[in-house]
Amino acid sequence: QKEVEQNSGPLSVPEGAIASLNCTYSDRVSQSFFWYRQYSGKSPELIMSIYSNGDKEDGRFTAQLNKASQYVSLLIRDSQPSDSATYLCAVNGRTGANNLFFGTGTRLTVIP
Amino acid sequence: EADIYQTPRYLVIGTGKKITLECSQTMGHDKMYWYQQDPGMELHLIHYSYGVNSTEKGDLSSESTVSRIRTEHFPLTLESARPSHTSQYLCASSVLGDRDTQYFGPGTRLTVL
Repeated sequence: QKEVEQNSGPLSVPEGAIASLNCTYSDRVSQSFFWYRQYSGKSPELIMSIYSNGDKEDGRFTAQLNKASQYVSLLIRDSQPSDSATYLCAVNGRTGANNLFFGTGTRLTVIP
Repeated sequence: EADIYQTPRYLVIGTGKKITLECSQTMGHDKMYWYQQDPGMELHLIHYSYGVNSTEKGDLSSESTVSRIRTEHFPLTLESARPSHTSQYLCASSVLGDRDTQYFGPGTRLTVL
């Protein structure tokens, strides 16, 4: 079982819709959770971090964390064509080196 | 915004050459990382460092080596490049203990002919 699982997609939504991206993780004691956006050929860019159960909102982005279910999600409201990218979920490992575990990413396409 | 730099951004080189990919950050971050990523594929951690004189191997076996003589500098070296080394190499850094938030550099796209 992978440390972090994401639906690879592709996920297509029309412009203006809500895009919902999901991620599950295996380490129950993980404490830090991140969403990165990666445009094709570019490096990952941090867009959200969340550490406590519940919702965290930043502009059009909302991260949701449910530690009991080991589940993290990212909602993108009013999706724009510029949101078309691969979204990587990352979770910190609390044993050993405490490095981040990255999912394989979900490719999102926003259709104008 | 993260201040982490990688040079060169693109490199095309012949088989057998020795190459060094540079990574520098001006944020004073303790921990630095190297990832390898093929197009459309997942990130693989190949090296990381906790600080000066610390280097560790990552999850993916790599023929590359790294050094950390200065806090801000974490170069990656391939002694003899092969076509199988063709990939994108991403450098990242984080503050030790600061919830492990990693910031990435722009990457180096390496092509070995």
